[in-house]
Amino acid sequence: AQTVTQSQPEMSVQEAETVTLSCTYDTSESDYYLFWYKQPPSRQMILVIRQEAYKQQNATENRFSVNFQKAAKSFSLKISDSQLGDAAMYFCAYRSANTGNQFYFGTGTSLTVIP
Amino acid sequence: NAGVTQTPKFQVLKTGQSMTLQCAQDMNHEYMSWYRQDPGMGLRLIHYSVGAGITDQGEVPNGYNVSRSTTEDFPLRLLSAAPSQTSVYFCASSRFGGRTGSDYGYTFGSGTRLTVV
Repeated sequence: AQTVTQSQPEMSVQEAETVTLSCTYDTSESDYYLFWYKQPPSRQMILVIRQEAYKQQNATENRFSVNFQKAAKSFSLKISDSQLGDAAMYFCAYRSANTGNQFYFGTGTSLTVIP
Repeated sequence: NAGVTQTPKFQVLKTGQSMTLQCAQDMNHEYMSWYRQDPGMGLRLIHYSVGAGITDQGEVPNGYNVSRSTTEDFPLRLLSAAPSQTSVYFCASSRFGGRTGSDYGYTFGSGTRLTVV
C-alpha cells in the first residue's frame, strides 16, 4: 500500500510571511494524483490544491503553490502572504489513477499563524 | 447546495449500543467512503464502495458494517460500540476511475464526532 508521510506535526508562521509544509510519499506507480486538504477548527475538509503526476508544471492556486518532485516523491505546499485564516490542520493525500479511488492520507501538519 | 450530507454531527453512545451514521450525496458520485480521524493518525479508511451493491473493506473495518443500496446513500453501522471507536468520522465521495476532468478529488461531509462511554 502507498504511504504518505508528513514529518512536521506542527508549524508556525508570522502573518504575511511564507511557510512550506512537507510531504513525501511512497509508490511504485507512475500515474497518480496528489492533494493538499485544509481542516480548520470547523472540522470541514477543504481541498486546497491538487497535482496530476503526469503534469510537470507545479500547481498554483492564488497564494498556495506546490513543489512537486516526482523522482524524489516529494510534494510540498507553499503558502505565501500567510493570513490568520490559514491556521488549520493540513493533510497531504495520494490517490492512484489506476487502482481505484482509495485516498491515502498523511498524519497532518498543524499550522499556527502568529499575528 | 450539492455536496455530502452527514448526520448526526455529534453523538454519545454507551458501550455496547449500536447506531447508524448516515451519509448522502447528490452529485451522482460512484465512489463513497468512510474514514475515521484520530489525533496523530490522520484519516484511516474504514469501508468504501465503488457503486450500488458493491462494498469493500479498508484499513480499519472491524466493528463497522456498511451497505450501498442506492448511489446516493452509504450508511455506516456500529454494531456494538466500544470506547476505541471514539473518533471523528468522515464520509467522502468522488467520481470513480481515472481522469474525469477536474472532478477526481474527494468531497467530504462535515464529520460526526462520536464519543463512546
